[in-house]
Amino acid sequence: QVLLQESGPGLVKPSETLSLTCTVSGGSVSSGNYYWSWIRQPPGKGLEWIGYISYSGFTSYNPSLKSRVTISVDTSKTQFSLNLTSVTAADTAVYYCARGGVLLWGQGTLVTVSS
Amino acid sequence: EIVLTQSPGTLSLSPGERAALSCGASQSVRSNYLAWYQQKPGQAPSLLIYGASTRATGIPDRFSGSGSGTDFTLTISRLEPEDFAVYYCQQYADSTYTFGQGTRLEIK
Repeated sequence: QVLLQESGPGLVKPSETLSLTCTVSGGSVSSGNYYWSWIRQPPGKGLEWIGYISYSGFTSYNPSLKSRVTISVDTSKTQFSLNLTSVTAADTAVYYCARGGVLLWGQGTLVTVSS
Repeated sequence: EIVLTQSPGTLSLSPGERAALSCGASQSVRSNYLAWYQQKPGQAPSLLIYGASTRATGIPDRFSGSGSGTDFTLTISRLEPEDFAVYYCQQYADSTYTFGQGTRLEIK
């Protein structure tokens, strides 16, 4: 059974970089022909897809965030990461990692952008 | 980018009633690569339907999905108290995934 778990700072200062890691247990990021996504949900609002990285390293990003986002795979192949630069209060959200096009979700982690 | 529009924004019904939630796409969703998720407060979304009409493992048969192309529907035949939640559609046909804005199903 594959499980995903997000980790990273819960508080980030404005203009800094938000960095999160998703640890995959019970599987590998480099196997199974899956896409590995990040999705976010501001408090009280809907879901926003941020981007994904494929099992082969191909990336695709939400056009509205593309200039600030990087998704990468750790060399251990059991983690993938999100970097979001130049954050503002509008980036405060619960951030989820997920597997697949039909999404298998992590439990999510709240990141607050505040000084 | 495929834009998904869900309607209604809020649906007020009573337990035992039938619910029909709509998801419209700005362009045809290839191979009906459309999924539905349920989200309860404080929880991650959970998969209900994929491929527009295939129930995920363990999902009761009161949930059904239909539609193709640009028009999709999630139907809950007889509402149970635990079904009152927010529902999202999502397309995974395009290289950029998108979600609908959600439908809140509330108790009348």
